[in-house]
Amino acid sequence: NAGVTQTPKFQVLKTGQSMTLQCAQDMNHEYMSWYRQDPGMGLRLIHYSVGAGITDQGEVPNGYNVSRSTTEDFPLRLLSAAPSQTSVYFCASSREDPGYEQYFGPGTRLTVT
Amino acid sequence: AQSVTQPDIHITVSEGASLELRCNYSYGATPYLFWYVQSPGQGLQLLLKYFSGDTLVQGIKGFEAEFKRSQSSFNLRKPSVHWSDAAEYFCAVAPRGGFKTIFGAGTRLFVKA
Repeated sequence: NAGVTQTPKFQVLKTGQSMTLQCAQDMNHEYMSWYRQDPGMGLRLIHYSVGAGITDQGEVPNGYNVSRSTTEDFPLRLLSAAPSQTSVYFCASSREDPGYEQYFGPGTRLTVT
Repeated sequence: AQSVTQPDIHITVSEGASLELRCNYSYGATPYLFWYVQSPGQGLQLLLKYFSGDTLVQGIKGFEAEFKRSQSSFNLRKPSVHWSDAAEYFCAVAPRGGFKTIFGAGTRLFVKA
């Protein structure tokens, strides 16, 4: 099993550009999440999905879109990048049994200039 | 409001010394409790988890944590720290019957020779 994979590992964008961060998991987990990690703030939930076709907002959803057309894939779209979106982004997957333990991808470091 | 507090932003311990990282949570009912570790440049990895039963739980890499309901705490301990334990540690909670996980801000552990 590859677990949770994310691409790209690094990305530099100019303000106003758009892009998609890719996330895939091969564990057949129903739950998937996107977090951003900023110094001193832990991980904050951006969007999450409880199954194919079902997504919802987390704590900091503004400026991001998600979709989940398959169980495996959960891409995160930045619509118009802003410097405030400079961060490290983590995708995670989990399942209800046993207790929503999360499996994380390696992260994408995004810089918006 | 639901929250997770890790009062120590960073801690420095000598190799071979004991370690305790603190975590307090504010939640309506006893949630699922987790500790994750993040090595530099890596994603998060689960160290241990508490769902129910014995309040002292064992994890990987020689770590353990004790759940204290009366103090709403879930402190992480290790009897003898190794240089490879230098990393950032995150306490997290998830509601029973739900999966939206809340993370603490993290504690960075430095190990000196």
